Amino acid sequence: DQQVKQNSPSLSVQEGRISILNCDYTNSMFDYFLWYKKYPAEGPTFLISISSIKDKNEDGRFTVFLNKSAKHLSLHIVPSQPGDSAVYFCAAIITGTASKLTFGTGTRLQVTL
Amino acid sequence: IAGITQAPTSQILAAGRRMTLRCTQDMRHNAMYWYRQDLGLGLRLIHYSNTAGTTGKGEVPDGYSVSRANTDDFPLTLASAVPSQTSVYFCASRNPGEACGELFFGEGSRLTVL
Repeated sequence: DQQVKQNSPSLSVQEGRISILNCDYTNSMFDYFLWYKKYPAEGPTFLISISSIKDKNEDGRFTVFLNKSAKHLSLHIVPSQPGDSAVYFCAAIITGTASKLTFGTGTRLQVTL
Repeated sequence: IAGITQAPTSQILAAGRRMTLRCTQDMRHNAMYWYRQDLGLGLRLIHYSNTAGTTGKGEVPDGYSVSRANTDDFPLTLASAVPSQTSVYFCASRNPGEACGELFFGEGSRLTVL
């Protein structure tokens, strides 16, 4: 059972426009959410996170929105740049020292010129 | 440079052979993890270790074993490789002292089992 889902395997956006990547989860116990970015032949790197006590977290061009009632979060990238082209993974965790991240299936973002 | 080192970066292996993927970190993180990445399936947890001397099973542990003799090293062993274990394997670590601590990943080991 996939507890964290990214239903769009790929997304293409023009440079300068907004990219919106979506993520849904089923486990209401998740209380912290993270986004990771992965370039080819590299390991995933942490991008941005949000606690369940918030509904928005912003870091430069990146903003994550959380809708707990819908069990949905989204990552907005504005403006999108060609260097943003990568695979983005959503992840969720029930916080605690023994907790483990559960990842979504990933969305490949292509930012075109 | 501090971080996670994985070896080998790439390996082609005959089915039935034994293989150990190595992972070393120098961040003194207590918790370490092995994930496999497969197209359409994302990152799936194979095994983890919350501290030296302890290990646990993740989502897809069958066919894999791990050991954690010390804080820095967390090798993943395939006792008898099968083609379905063809994947990219990522080792990761985090400091569980930070309950929301992010994972730090290695560069990955691409394994092909023929």
